[in-house]
Amino acid sequence: QSALTQPASVSGSPGQSITISCTGTSSDVGSFDLVSWYQQYPGKAPKLLIYEVFKRPSGVSNRFSGSKSANTASLTISGLQAEDETDYYCSSYTVSGTMIFGGGTRLTVL
Amino acid sequence: QVQVVQSGAEVKKPGASMKLSCKASGYIFSNFYMHWVRQAPGQGLEWMGFINPTDATTRYAQKFQGRVTVTMDTPTSTVYMEMSSLRSEDSAFYYCARVPMGPFWYVDLWGRGTLVTVSS
Repeated sequence: QSALTQPASVSGSPGQSITISCTGTSSDVGSFDLVSWYQQYPGKAPKLLIYEVFKRPSGVSNRFSGSKSANTASLTISGLQAEDETDYYCSSYTVSGTMIFGGGTRLTVL
Repeated sequence: QVQVVQSGAEVKKPGASMKLSCKASGYIFSNFYMHWVRQAPGQGLEWMGFINPTDATTRYAQKFQGRVTVTMDTPTSTVYMEMSSLRSEDSAFYYCARVPMGPFWYVDLWGRGTLVTVSS
């Protein structure tokens, strides 16, 4: 099964909002509200940002939000800050009872 | 302190096997699945499989079926991931990743990762 499709890179200026898309199929993203988003800094383990499409774990800034439409999930970061510059990954449950990740998106804050 | 502590870095020759460990502490071991995710240098995350600590059942990504085995030792709350027939493409960070039991498929706790280098 191929990875979920994410843009390789996105960019935005401080204070702006950006959206990272995560496109799957009816066998994963489209069939379940089990999409998660992770933030990963170089040399570090990923950190959970969003789970079950839009839910935020305790301690995660409300500048991060998630949504889904059909086979595409989205992560929106509002009020961009320099510290947001890093890699982001989506993941989804699949009909096979497995997990699949997106290829990752590098966010650049201009 | 809730944490999962992984074993140290390893260097292996092509064709060899490896067995990585992941020791859980600070929480009820049986309340969470333990998954394994790897990440090659400069690449994305790749899901490998997981174990259900209540009955030791496992499930693997098709790519790793037959080459990866995840086991556990309940008394020590330790999960192991064994991979055979290593090749250079298996050089990566290997993370153990905790997922809440139930219809949840998100990782709420990650280990720091174990770097595995496969080289002749």
